[in-house]
Amino acid sequence: QSALTQPRSVSGSPGQSVTISCTGTSGEVSTYNYVSWYQQHPGKSPKLMIYDVTKRPSGVPDRFSGSKSGNTASLTISGLQAEDEADYYCCSYAGTYRFYVFGTGTKVTVL
Amino acid sequence: EVQMVESGGGLVKPGGSLRLSCAASGFTFSDYSLNWVRQAPGKGLEWVSSISSSSTYIYYADSVKGRFTISRDNAKNSLYLQMNGLRAEDTAMYYCARVSSSLNFNFWGQGTQVTVSS
Repeated sequence: QSALTQPRSVSGSPGQSVTISCTGTSGEVSTYNYVSWYQQHPGKSPKLMIYDVTKRPSGVPDRFSGSKSGNTASLTISGLQAEDEADYYCCSYAGTYRFYVFGTGTKVTVL
Repeated sequence: EVQMVESGGGLVKPGGSLRLSCAASGFTFSDYSLNWVRQAPGKGLEWVSSISSSSTYIYYADSVKGRFTISRDNAKNSLYLQMNGLRAEDTAMYYCARVSSSLNFNFWGQGTQVTVSS
């Protein structure tokens, strides 16, 4: 079960915006609108940041936004803050055979 | 408050077995599908297995199919993962995660570490 492809790392200065891409290999991202994004700080459990491609759970700052075009989903962090430094993973539902597939993960560094 | 607490991890030899548990509270356990997700040291997240609310539907990743068995006891608010034929590549932190109606993992436990080594 191949993972979704994400850039290994992205970085930005406080206040800047960064965008993380998430590209599927088998049409899973383009077929389903069940793309979610997770933030994981070192030694911690993942935390849901975006679901259904664009929706934010209660409590997630509105500087986090999601989008999708074709078989690539994206997470944008606007107004980057120090506490946003973490690993980020995308995930897509992939049908009843593969079920869920995660992205390879992206380390966000705040310069 | 939603809580999910994993237990049962440890050090096991290749070929051995372990049974992981996940005790849940703070929500109506029997209403939700549940999953196991693992993360090898320094690596990314990998979906392992999913079980529907009444255990009707069960799915496994190819990497564990035939070796791992997911189950749940709704009366005890508990999720389980029976792991047999363990391999070095099964070494990981194992998380239980609750699935929302939008097929995302909206609550995660703190994880339990499984190490397979001779």
